[in-house]
Amino acid sequence: DVKVTQSSRYLVKRTGEKVFLECVQDMDHENMFWYRQDPGLGLRLIYFSYDVKMKEKGDIPEGYSVSREKKERFSLILESASTNQTSMYLCASSLLGRLNQPQHFGDGTRLSIL
Amino acid sequence: LAKTTQPISMDSYEGQEVNITCSHNNIATNDYITWYQQFPSQGPRFIIQGYKTKVTNEVASLFIPADRKSSTLSLPRVSLSDTAVYYCLVGDMRRDDKIIFGKGTRLHILP
Repeated sequence: DVKVTQSSRYLVKRTGEKVFLECVQDMDHENMFWYRQDPGLGLRLIYFSYDVKMKEKGDIPEGYSVSREKKERFSLILESASTNQTSMYLCASSLLGRLNQPQHFGDGTRLSIL
Repeated sequence: LAKTTQPISMDSYEGQEVNITCSHNNIATNDYITWYQQFPSQGPRFIIQGYKTKVTNEVASLFIPADRKSSTLSLPRVSLSDTAVYYCLVGDMRRDDKIIFGKGTRLHILP
């Protein structure tokens, strides 16, 4: 069974801090994704990666960056956290090659910026 | 990008069949239709995917008419544990990134 693990379920940080959210998957998936989910807005794609060291912007990349140094790990970085980045963050992975493969999600990190 | 429209919420009773319809009038030739389920405090979970006609698995059925401008997720004999948000997605089979999650349908199963 595919396992996508996010490093923290809950995280509280202060405005201006640099925040790292980590995600690891154990199924050798090429694609990895970061979303944020807010009430009334559904899931919105921040960044995705289809290979090591490759990244593509999603719909709302502003204020975020990502890092993919190893195939199994995809990190989301908030360079200088702001209160409007308080949200639920979800990581997902999927296979490349066979298109429209289902995305497998972690259980999310609920991030609060004070 | 094909936009999807689903009801915001639905109520049903245990033991009944539930049908959730999704409209996607601008669906393109290369688009697949995928449904996910999300419980509170969890990430979405893949339920079913189809391109045309009918697809069935151990969890649900997906009905897609010939014009593919809508689709219906059918959950047989629901239980309280089926209370969740259900997302209909329409995605280009050539582009993994451009799969858009809408706001979903909040399904509430009553005893």
